Amino acid sequence: DADVTQTPRNRITKTGKRIMLECSQTKGHDRMYWYRQDPGLGLRLIYYSFDVKDINKGEISDGYSVSRQAQAKFSLSLESAIPNQTALYFCATSEPGQLYQETQYFGPGTRLLVL
Amino acid sequence: SQKIEQNSEALNIQEGKTATLTCNYTNYSPAYLQWYRQDPGRGPVFLLLIRENEKEKRKERLKVTFDTTLKQSLFHITASQPADSATYLCALAYNQGGKLIFGQGTELSVKP
Repeated sequence: DADVTQTPRNRITKTGKRIMLECSQTKGHDRMYWYRQDPGLGLRLIYYSFDVKDINKGEISDGYSVSRQAQAKFSLSLESAIPNQTALYFCATSEPGQLYQETQYFGPGTRLLVL
Repeated sequence: SQKIEQNSEALNIQEGKTATLTCNYTNYSPAYLQWYRQDPGRGPVFLLLIRENEKEKRKERLKVTFDTTLKQSLFHITASQPADSATYLCALAYNQGGKLIFGQGTELSVKP
């Protein structure tokens, strides 16, 4: 079984709808992240959480919210989806390492299309 | 703000040759730099990490260099194979805490 899973894998929604993307991990890591990936722009950080009680905004948090339900679960919500939120969304996890050099482990991604 | 630039154009090389990918950054040097591989429709996978006080790191056919004077990292794949075809991302970390800033990636295509 995959260590980091994301549901759904693909989603088509309409402008104005609220949707939730979910991420679960079995790696036992405290730190979790949500990114979006757009062609030519690379991965951009939306939100990150270093433990269940810690939530932080990333580079592009406007229009998004998150919930860290448990160590293993981190959900991303689009309260009112708009077409420019069409993108590939990735969840990732990491664990503090020596000298804080952390590898991130990514899920398979959710492809979201907002019409 | 910090900017990271990777070759935007795809790199096409012949099997057996060495592929060299570039990652340039502006402003101050990161604490460490990582390289990831991403296949179509999949999430990135970690390959190598190099610290600011290291010049070079190797792993099998992969080699990464880090030049803080040039503000550049080079990623080399020797004896390249078609299976090495993918997009390669560099990512920089500037402080304790695990946050990474990613480049846009370079697509590598290795032809048999």
